[in-house]
Amino acid sequence: EPEVTQTPSHQVTQMGQEVILRCVPISNHLYFYWYRQILGQKVEFLVSFYNNEISEKSEIFDDQFSVERPDGSNFTLKIRSTKLEDSAMYFCASSVFEQFFGPGTRLTVL
Amino acid sequence: AQSVTQPDIHITVSEGASLELRCNYSYGATPYLFWYVQSPGQGLQLLLKYFSGDTLVQGIKGFEAEFKRSQSSFNLRKPSVHWSDAAEYFCAVGRDTNAGKSTFGDGTTLTVKP
Repeated sequence: EPEVTQTPSHQVTQMGQEVILRCVPISNHLYFYWYRQILGQKVEFLVSFYNNEISEKSEIFDDQFSVERPDGSNFTLKIRSTKLEDSAMYFCASSVFEQFFGPGTRLTVL
Repeated sequence: AQSVTQPDIHITVSEGASLELRCNYSYGATPYLFWYVQSPGQGLQLLLKYFSGDTLVQGIKGFEAEFKRSQSSFNLRKPSVHWSDAAEYFCAVGRDTNAGKSTFGDGTTLTVKP
């Protein structure tokens, strides 16, 4: 069964550093999403992406965040200058109709 | 704006007992509803979903949920809980468009007593 994959599974970075989280959506899906989950809290929507542009973003998705589909298979989330409060699990999802979630990347900012 | 309320933060049941986790949603049109389960440090596993049709939906691991439009609810049930069901459960509502985001509830932590 096709699945969404994410790399790395765990990333540790220093505050102020840039990180790129990578996702490979399911191959025939057209809609892509990023969500985050701070430890012990609920899953929060960050951004949706369709036809090479952002279709919706939340108030969390400020200028420090960007998304890109650099080629036909990858979908990335970049955080330009990480803060301590960016520490969270980041989930990628893709859909044709219903969303399929990846396993997540745990980002730890020290 | 869409929203989800899970009134129970934490529920404890005995193994073999029945389970019901509550979910209430707010949405302006016909909602797409989901239940996910998450074990500590793990990803989200879809238990079941409702898009349309029969309001009682069956999912994996013996779970079912009933959509009640009049009560704006989508409660999750299981007739007999197993120790391995201990986890965090999230209810989510999505939009009826392909680009629609999902909005999650705060989650309910299920503890299973032996």
